[in-house]
Formats: sequence, structure tokens, C-alpha cells
Amino acid sequence: NAGVTQTPKFQVLKTGQSMTLQCAQDMNHEYMSWYRQDPGMGLRLIHYSVGAGITDQGEVPNGYNVSRSTTEDFPLRLLSAAPSQTSVYFCASSSALGSGGTDTQYFGPGTRLTVL
Amino acid sequence: AQTVTQSQPEMSVQEAETVTLSCTYDTSESDYYLFWYKQPPSRQMILVIRQEAYKQQNATENRFSVNFQKAAKSFSLKISDSQLGDAAMYFCAYRSGENTGANSKLTFGKGITLSVRP
Repeated sequence: NAGVTQTPKFQVLKTGQSMTLQCAQDMNHEYMSWYRQDPGMGLRLIHYSVGAGITDQGEVPNGYNVSRSTTEDFPLRLLSAAPSQTSVYFCASSSALGSGGTDTQYFGPGTRLTVL
Repeated sequence: AQTVTQSQPEMSVQEAETVTLSCTYDTSESDYYLFWYKQPPSRQMILVIRQEAYKQQNATENRFSVNFQKAAKSFSLKISDSQLGDAAMYFCAYRSGENTGANSKLTFGKGITLSVRP
């Protein structure tokens, strides 16, 4: 049981490049989320999903796209990277409330992204 | 919208002593959950303790306990018998208990860096 996995662990991009941060979970969790962590800002929610085919925006969604075609995977796409997107990105998953499982959010190890 | 405030950016404690980390929050909801997460230098987010708002009893997990004051909207974390491995950044977080998908949305404070002196 690998939990929540993220790839890559580190990435350097040039301004204007696009890329996809991968996130996968093997716990059959309904809910998945993406957060970014910036110094002095804590973690802020970018996008989240309550099930396959269902996504919604969080607090800071601009510049990012997501899709959820399977329960297991929730990729985050940067369409045109900007220096303001330099951050550490965390993916998390959790069970739906009332589904019988724990409601704890489990976090991946994070991806450190630098945009030059 | 809910907000979570951690006003102390840094704290330090002597090994084996007790330290309290402060957190306040603002919400108009009556059903919610509060969490403390630990982030060591490895960057991994580790759940330390959770508290349901409807429970008056303060949560406890071994050396970690909370002081939950619902009327004051305060949620502090007490670490007893501090150990070197407790050195980390600690985040306070809030989750609504009322909305669909609430379990996928945490609101975090800015965090506090705790150092432990040997």
C-alpha cells in the first residue's frame, strides 16, 4: 500500500513552459486535492475532486487545470508556467464523509517546482 | 469564509519541557473539525491530532494534547516532554463538517516553526 504518490519530486521550468504534476493514490479514496505551500503562507487549496469526473476550484486555481478520469489519479497541469508558481505542491486524498473510512487527509511527499 | 491564524512564526523549547502552540480560527459554522499537522524537514505532512467541534472533551494523543475553547475559537497544541524529533513546522487546519466535499478541503494557518534545544 503506497498511499499517495507524487512525481516528480523536483522540477525546474522556464517561464511559459507547460507540465503536469502527477498524483496517484491506492487507497480507493473518493476525494483528492491539490495544495501549494509557499513560505509564510501555509498550504492553500488549488483544486479538489469529490469523485471521478468531478472537480472544483479551491482558493488559488488560476493558472492550473485538473481532471479526474479515474479514482486513483488526479494530475495537476500548469498551462504556461510563471515565476509566481514557484512553490511546493502537495496532493492529498481522503475518504468521503460517512463512507465508513477515516476522514483523515493523507498527503503525498510533495513536488518542489521552480519556475525561472 | 473560514480563516485560521497562527500568530507566532517561531517558538523554541528545551528538551523534556512543555510547549504550547497557539491557533485561533474564525467561522460561522457550528459543525467543523480542527487538526494539527506536523511537517518535519522531510516535508511530509503528518497528522498529529484532530478535534471534533461537537466534542467538549479535548483530544489527546500520547504527549500531544489540545486545549479547545469553542466560544473563544481557540485551538492550541500542547507538547509535553518535548523531544528532539518534535522539531518541525506545525500547521493548524480547519475543515467544515457541513458541506459536500468538505473532507477534501482544509484551510491551513501559516504555520509555526518549533525548535527543540538539547
